[in-house]
Amino acid sequence: DTGVSQDPRHKITKRGQNVTFRCDPISEHNRLYWYRQTLGQGPEFLTYFQNEAQLEKSRLLSDRFSAERPKGSFSTLEIQRTEQGDSAMYLCASSRIKFQLGAGTDTQYFGPGTRLTVL
Amino acid sequence: RKEVEQDPGPFNVPEGATVAFNCTYSNSASQSFFWYRQDCRKEPKLLMSVYSSGNEDGRFTAQLNRASQYISLLIRDSKLSDSATYLCVVNLASGGSYIPTFGRGTSLIVHP
Repeated sequence: DTGVSQDPRHKITKRGQNVTFRCDPISEHNRLYWYRQTLGQGPEFLTYFQNEAQLEKSRLLSDRFSAERPKGSFSTLEIQRTEQGDSAMYLCASSRIKFQLGAGTDTQYFGPGTRLTVL
Repeated sequence: RKEVEQDPGPFNVPEGATVAFNCTYSNSASQSFFWYRQDCRKEPKLLMSVYSSGNEDGRFTAQLNRASQYISLLIRDSKLSDSATYLCVVNLASGGSYIPTFGRGTSLIVHP
């Protein structure tokens, strides 16, 4: 257990519904990342935050995806109007960085993920 | 060509064997390289960072070859517990920023 928690662990929804996932990072970590992972593939970067600022969001898969980290602590990832192709594992990771370095230069600790199934 | 490529395997080796994986990346401006281990239906866990001079942690050795744009992971004296998927991560330069980019992973099966 790395200390990163995600909720829910599993979500089954019908096509067209909205879903929201939550990630609680390790408490002293200032960076938070979201990834999507499908079977047989590595995690795919979606977005990341440093404190409450979303520094990179060009890799969000479509405008149906959005993420927030309003107080620089926990984060939420929302998918609107879900499609069957959204079925995947959604992973959150956090890290602590002291200097202004680019994304991914830090050691990331992953949460257990939220497995989404869209029927 | 994918930005970060790994041979998916599986690599099937006996206990005690030495096995090596490579991971190639597309952008020479990339920085910060890591190997993660992922067990079935679990989250990735950091195995080791990869430094320019190469680094070793027990039975594991990681190396970076910037000229040929690849990183490698060597596992000596394989254990049954080493069976997992090994993911490389490259911090790829992209449009003025850097994006942590994972390979698809290499599956290792260590058998008795």
